[in-house]
This record gives sequence, structure tokens and C-alpha cells, in this order.
Amino acid sequence: DAGVTQSPTHLIKTRGQQVTLRCSPISGHKSVSWYQQVLGQGPQFIFQYYEKEERGRGNFPDRFSARQFPNYSSELNVNALLLGDSALYLCASSLEVQGYNEQFFGPGTRLTVL
Amino acid sequence: DAKTTQPPSMDCAEGRAANLPCNHSTISGNEYVYWYRQIHSQGPQYIIHGLKNNETNEMASLIITEDRKSSTLILPHATLRDTAVYYCIVIKSGSARQLTFGSGTQLTVLP
Repeated sequence: DAGVTQSPTHLIKTRGQQVTLRCSPISGHKSVSWYQQVLGQGPQFIFQYYEKEERGRGNFPDRFSARQFPNYSSELNVNALLLGDSALYLCASSLEVQGYNEQFFGPGTRLTVL
Repeated sequence: DAKTTQPPSMDCAEGRAANLPCNHSTISGNEYVYWYRQIHSQGPQYIIHGLKNNETNEMASLIITEDRKSSTLILPHATLRDTAVYYCIVIKSGSARQLTFGSGTQLTVLP
């Protein structure tokens, strides 16, 4: 059974560039969330999508955007990269079942902004 | 969601029980306690959750105090592979809600 997959695993960009990160949820999971984890801190919530609709958004600037596709995979886009965007970006998927909050995380994409 | 407080670090000898505390004194009646862990450079992994009763699964046990203001995650026989950051998270009932991670507890299992 495949878990959550993310691509690429590592990425190096320079300030001002744009980046797209990709996530494929576990088969049958319709909810996808994105988190940013800066070194030494816990993951911080960025977005949640369900059935292609944005369900929630964390305290991140408009440079961050995301979308979910009909097959429930998702992309996270970050424009005008800053040095402070260097982080591990985690994708998590979940079943959409009342009372069920177990989220399955992928291995993450390590983004380095130079 | 209620705020949680955890010690920043703990050590445990291999083979012994690891008891990780979490304070959530402002928890409300419809909020669950969830535990996740993150092994270095991997994504967080779900461990266990509970509302008010003690829970046990193949990974761990969760003990929630009667007033629900604190809880303890117990790894009964810690191994070196249990070395990780452990996060205690309080979530309102619902489904697939966003997780608010604190700083967690770095558990180091010593040989």
C-alpha cells in the first residue's frame, strides 16, 4: 500500500524564484493538507483542501497558493521566494470521516532558498 | 484548539518505559488529545488519540487524567528507534482538522 508521496525530495532555488511542490495522497483519501517546518520548530499549517475546495488556510502570505486536482493530488506554489521560505514542506492526507483526525504525512520536500 | 505544554527533552534507557507528559489545562469537552511523533527528517507519524478514557494500541498507551487537564504517553519498552520528537496536540471533534504542532518533546533512548 503506497503512502503519501511528495516530489521532488530536495530543491534549491534562489531568492525571487517560484517553486511548485507536488503531493499524491493515499488512495481513497480526499483531504490534503500542507505544512511548513522550519528547522528546529514543529510543522506549521499552510492549507487544507477537500474535494478541490480550500477548507482552511494558515497564517501565510499570498505568495503561497495551492490547488487540488480531481484525482485528489495537490500542488503547493510559492512565488517570490525569500530566504525564510527555506524549510521542509510536508503534505498530509486524511479520510473525510466525522471524528477521524489521523493524518498521514509524506516524507516532505526540503526547499533551500539561496 | 487548546494549547499544550510539553517538556523540551527527555531521556530514557533502552528497554524501559518512556513516560511523556503533556499539559492541556484549557481543554474543552469536545476536544481530543492526539499524539504524533517525528523521527529525524521524516514526516510526523500518528501514534494514538483519546477523549477521556485511557487508550492502548500496538505502539503505545495514553493515560488521560480524570479532569482531562493532562495526559501521559507511555512507550512500554522503548527502543533506539523510538528516539524522536513527540507532539501532543489537542483537536476539536470533527474530521481531518488542521493540526497545530507545538515544539514537542525530544525523546532520546539511550543504549
